[in-house]
Amino acid sequence: QSALTQPPSASGTPGQRVTISCSGSSSNIGTNTVSWYQQLPGTAPKVLIYSNSQRPSGVPDRFSGSKSGTSASLAISGPQSEDEADYYCATWDDSLDGWVFGGGTKLTVL
Amino acid sequence: EVQLLESGGGLVQPGGSLRLSCAASGFTFSSYAMTWVRQAPGKGLEWVSTLSGGSTYYADSVKGRFTISRDNSKNTLYLQMTSLRADDTALYYCAKEAPILSGFESWGQGTLVTVSS
Repeated sequence: QSALTQPPSASGTPGQRVTISCSGSSSNIGTNTVSWYQQLPGTAPKVLIYSNSQRPSGVPDRFSGSKSGTSASLAISGPQSEDEADYYCATWDDSLDGWVFGGGTKLTVL
Repeated sequence: EVQLLESGGGLVQPGGSLRLSCAASGFTFSSYAMTWVRQAPGKGLEWVSTLSGGSTYYADSVKGRFTISRDNSKNTLYLQMTSLRADDTALYYCAKEAPILSGFESWGQGTLVTVSS
């Protein structure tokens, strides 16, 4: 069981806004910043969001991140077919003294 | 361009040992914390170990069996794995951390470790 809780699946059409949640606790999300990763089938993870809401250069602006209290969210505005992938949240946990990941969310674009 | 190239994976019997390497290039290796993350077949990402400054951190599942180290003169990160178990079977990625625990900026392509008799 992961320290961070994500829904196992999410779906949406190119005209919708899809949100993936990541729920943690005071020792992880409540204290440290959250990052998000996209893993396309058969490839290594790639950072989408770091420091809760910062997007690295090259990441489309349809991806955005936010954090409130002990939860974080990744939003995809108008998902494209190439966005079909697994998405993971991660943060440092002060109690465990280590990184924790969410269980991952598989995004389907309808 | 940052590049991380893992090697050293393979098939090993339960109880055996293996040393993984991660050759880094394209950045000042000695200035960054480095991490190993693994992914069992069909499963999610699992943090394994981090080396930050002179400090090492391990997941409970590998503590006492795995050792992380680095050779800054060779720009290489290592993971020495001993007493391997079937549940250590996974694709092992090395990752370059961004400053101040803000995430993992770059990932390698991974090296596969299979523990089986």
